[in-house]
Amino acid sequence: AQKVTQAQTEISVVEKEDVTLDCVYETRDTTYYLFWYKQPPSGELVFLIRRNSFDEQNEISGRYSWNFQKSTSSFNFTITASQVVDSAVYFCALSAADRGSTLGRLYFGRGTQLTVWP
Amino acid sequence: EAQVTQNPRYLITVTGKKLTVTCSQNMNHEYMSWYRQDPGLGLRQIYYSMNVEVTDKGDVPEGYKVSRKEKRNFPLILESPSPNQTSLYFCASSLSPTGVGEAFFGQGTRLTVV
Repeated sequence: AQKVTQAQTEISVVEKEDVTLDCVYETRDTTYYLFWYKQPPSGELVFLIRRNSFDEQNEISGRYSWNFQKSTSSFNFTITASQVVDSAVYFCALSAADRGSTLGRLYFGRGTQLTVWP
Repeated sequence: EAQVTQNPRYLITVTGKKLTVTCSQNMNHEYMSWYRQDPGLGLRQIYYSMNVEVTDKGDVPEGYKVSRKEKRNFPLILESPSPNQTSLYFCASSLSPTGVGEAFFGQGTRLTVV
């Protein structure tokens, strides 16, 4: 079975603080993909990153960085020097791709509401 | 512009009145799906389709129907809506069912059933 856990329901920080959003996943597939999506107050879902199970390199994109560790089944997301515009709900998701899995299906965590105060 | 278009964006309806939420994508994607988002529960898959005329149930299919007569369209049908179907609905499409590509999401449809 596939499962994604985002243990942090809500996080509040003050602008310019760094913040890390945790994501822990469960899968028996050897090939899978992990995603992060942002949902701002306007409601749409914005794709942030995709990472496949064979690529454990960390990635940095501006103030955003992602730490993928297969050993702990985690795919954490860090925002450096947070800004008010980062306030949103963030979802981590998993898509399994081994033979027999429901290909293309996304399994979402419950989301983390991040509030950045000025 | 590559996009997934859902209509309507907002809908208030009464219990039992059949409704359809349309979804269309212009990227020639094979894989399409519907999700509902409820507070504290994240997004849960309702139905998905791997290709034309191929559909299957997700986690929460009760009370919903779908059809995939054309590759670009994947409507969600509520034959007899009930208040527990009040939710935010998202349609999504992706190029490959292997999950290699990102999923593109529609803008969402906020449905209220009274």
